[in-house]
Amino acid sequence: SQTIHQWPATLVQPVGSPLSLECTVEGTSNPNLYWYRQAAGRGLQLLFYSVGIGQISSEVPQNLSASRPQDRQFILSSKKLLLSDSGFYLCAWTGQHTGELFFGEGSRLTVL
Amino acid sequence: AQRVTQPEKLLSVFKGAPVELKCNYSYSGSPELFWYVQYSRQRLQLLLRHISRESIKGFTADLNKGETSFHLKKPFAQEEDSAMYYCALRGAQKLVFGQGTRLTINP
Repeated sequence: SQTIHQWPATLVQPVGSPLSLECTVEGTSNPNLYWYRQAAGRGLQLLFYSVGIGQISSEVPQNLSASRPQDRQFILSSKKLLLSDSGFYLCAWTGQHTGELFFGEGSRLTVL
Repeated sequence: AQRVTQPEKLLSVFKGAPVELKCNYSYSGSPELFWYVQYSRQRLQLLLRHISRESIKGFTADLNKGETSFHLKKPFAQEEDSAMYYCALRGAQKLVFGQGTRLTINP
């Protein structure tokens, strides 16, 4: 069966420090991968998605970037965090021909 | 551009009353629409999709292309329906979500 793992679950970082959130999927190949940010009152905001290795589509210009170094690995990064980067980040995947999204457990980032 | 609008951030109804969570969308192509639900302390998960035309946990949703709507309905609410509900639209390879509606069922 397919599983999705996301870590760390919780992260507290100072302003200006770097960020790396990692997401891996097991039990499937060539998934579409997504990073969302969930904020109260703002719903689920799509940040990045990827349909293959090295292919990244950015939805919202901001202080974050994403990379997909391997087929089932998706990384969310920042070189210098801002206070406004605080939030709950969700990784998700779908199959190439299905619409159902499977979500990770999320990573809560607090920037101080 | 893809856009999903859920006009109600909060919705509160009594147990046994009918529930309707509104969702409107904007998309130039042929839409694929979903409802996702997040119960307390659980992962976000799929509730239903329009192409299945099925009822899940008593919920149904009909795609109305003329009104560009995909409202979620249940005739008799139950306390366990209390959760956060998101409407989502799939176009090309990306899924865009609405702002979500927090549904509270009062006993």
